Amino acid sequence: AQTVTQSQPEMSVQEAETVTLSCTYDTSESDYYLFWYKQPPSRQMILVIRQEAYKQQNATENRFSVNFQKAAKSFSLKISDSQLGDAAMYFCAYRRFGYSGGGADGLTFGKGTHLIIQP
Amino acid sequence: DAGVTQSPTHLIKTRGQQVTLRCSPKSGHDTVSWYQQALGQGPQFIFQYYEEEERQRGNFPDRFSGHQFPNYSSELNVNALLLGDSALYLCASSLGTSGGAKNIQYFGAGTRLSVL
Repeated sequence: AQTVTQSQPEMSVQEAETVTLSCTYDTSESDYYLFWYKQPPSRQMILVIRQEAYKQQNATENRFSVNFQKAAKSFSLKISDSQLGDAAMYFCAYRRFGYSGGGADGLTFGKGTHLIIQP
Repeated sequence: DAGVTQSPTHLIKTRGQQVTLRCSPKSGHDTVSWYQQALGQGPQFIFQYYEEEERQRGNFPDRFSGHQFPNYSSELNVNALLLGDSALYLCASSLGTSGGAKNIQYFGAGTRLSVL
């Protein structure tokens, strides 16, 4: 079974600075997807960024970028120029490649990192 | 374009009762997945519905059951409620027939279930 580990229960960063959230995972699959989701107090999970394991290039979405190390099974999220609106729980998630009878596979989530932005 | 909607937003039940939670997927999506998120934890996958059938199931007992309707909306039913069933229940929708890389799950705001 796949597992996702987020070892930082809470992180704090000054507004406008850069912060990196860590995530490691364990899988025997060679093809899979990795995601970072953000969950603000409104509770709705919002996709921040995704990475396909078969792509060597790290994904980037504006101020958000990842450092994907497939051999090390590591998938960290870097947030540049932190903003107050970035404050939320951040979850790392894994999904294996392909289908089993249709539809996307269920996601496996880590326990999350609570990100605090200091003004 | 309406996103994923869930109802009700909050529900209080007592032990032993049964509960039904509802989810309408994002427009154009045909696959619905359900997750349970206990306080302070990440979501855990319960099951997924596609073409009105349960396609995948996580490690949850048979007390958890579901249904998908022809309009792709879905229900999650939990029987014989336990105190430990208290959690946020999240619904996510996706497009089952799209390419794998594009098959992103979009989440609703969840239903907070409290079992007393």
